[in-house]
Amino acid sequence: EIVLTQSPGTLSLFPGERATLSCRASQSVSSSYLAWYQQKPGQAPRLLIYGASSRATGIPDRFSGSGSGTDFTLTITRLEPEDFAVYYCQQYGSSPRFTFGPGTKVDIK
Amino acid sequence: EVQLVESGGGLVQRGGSLRLSCTASGFTFNTYNMNWVRQAPGKGLEWVSYISSSGYVMYYADSVKGRFTISRDNDKNSLYLQMNSLRDEDTAVYFCAREKPGQSDCWGQGTLVTVSS
Repeated sequence: EIVLTQSPGTLSLFPGERATLSCRASQSVSSSYLAWYQQKPGQAPRLLIYGASSRATGIPDRFSGSGSGTDFTLTITRLEPEDFAVYYCQQYGSSPRFTFGPGTKVDIK
Repeated sequence: EVQLVESGGGLVQRGGSLRLSCTASGFTFNTYNMNWVRQAPGKGLEWVSYISSSGYVMYYADSVKGRFTISRDNDKNSLYLQMNSLRDEDTAVYFCAREKPGQSDCWGQGTLVTVSS
């Protein structure tokens, strides 16, 4: 089973700043099967990035994903007030079907 | 509009059973694989179960294998999760999610299951 580790656990930033979130896998992950989600309190997760770097429908271009192999990054340029949330990376495998990282909380400094 | 709506959550005693439903609309349900994902209070996301578009292939997380059963009725655009022998650690919000290759692109709002002794 591939284990995903996310860092940092919490990122405290001001609106307008740049956020860089890391997701590291215990084994190599196909870029096609690495996704990022945003979750706000009381809401369902929202797909942001799939295939490591492709933005989902309706996602602003301040969100970008990069990486390959075992190291992946989600970058948010110029944080907007609505971007303060928890972010999860996800990898699709076979068994289990997919796994999530523990999440990074981006909060307002 | 693509939409998934879960129902059936509630308070259940330890060892009891519950059946969750997820009703889909706005897309051709029978062409998509589906998953259940749960989130314990204050915790992260955990995949629970998968079913193929045809309903013939199912997978389960080790934590629920032998206790939970996933199924679907494509004529009713509905996904189900039968949960038996419920444990305290099954307390969570349960989400249904539509699967595309390498992504879960549409999620329901979730339904809360609370297991109480």
